[in-house]
Amino acid sequence: GDSVTQMEGPVTLSEEACLTINCTYTATGYPSLFWYVQYPGEGLQLLLKATKADDKGSNKGFEATYRKETTSFHLEKGSVQVSDSAVYFCALFPKTDKLIFGTGTRLQVFP
Amino acid sequence: DADVTQTPRNRITKTGKRIMLECSQTKGHDRMYWYRQDPGLGLRLIYYSFDVKDINKGEISDGYSVSRQAQAKFSLSLESAIPNQTALYFCATSAPERTDTQYFGPGTRLTVL
Repeated sequence: GDSVTQMEGPVTLSEEACLTINCTYTATGYPSLFWYVQYPGEGLQLLLKATKADDKGSNKGFEATYRKETTSFHLEKGSVQVSDSAVYFCALFPKTDKLIFGTGTRLQVFP
Repeated sequence: DADVTQTPRNRITKTGKRIMLECSQTKGHDRMYWYRQDPGLGLRLIYYSFDVKDINKGEISDGYSVSRQAQAKFSLSLESAIPNQTALYFCATSAPERTDTQYFGPGTRLTVL
């Protein structure tokens, strides 16, 4: 069935370091892909999305490109800040009309 | 004010007790969802509702029931709580034409002793 696999955390970085959080998916057809972010004590919120192959989603300095050939949607940021510390969830939206989430990756950024 | 609210925010209860978690939204969305979050397992869908008369089971509905009292309210009940239902519970909403974009409440942390 449809599923999402993302790298285990925590990912620990110093401020201004580069970030990559890997996400791969298994799905029939061409699902939309998402990154949601959960800040401490809050619910999830949409960070970015891509709806078709080669699309790049971007928001708040984060980017992810929909790679159909590698079934991947890796999250990247060139320079992280302490305020980016959160849990990041990769998700896909297949034909079943329900979001399928990965297990989440905790990012910790230290000054 | 928050668009999606959940009450209570924290709850400790004992095995065998019945408990209800409530969710209200002011976004005017027809679609509402209940998820639970467990460490290492991500979010798993418990129940969802596409309108007041439409209730559907998610992947882990056993031991749970729901009630959609109005477009804006969607409650989750644990009829007889057990310790492995200890988790963080989230309510979410979406518009019918944008089901892929969901808006989450702040969560309810439930502990079953």
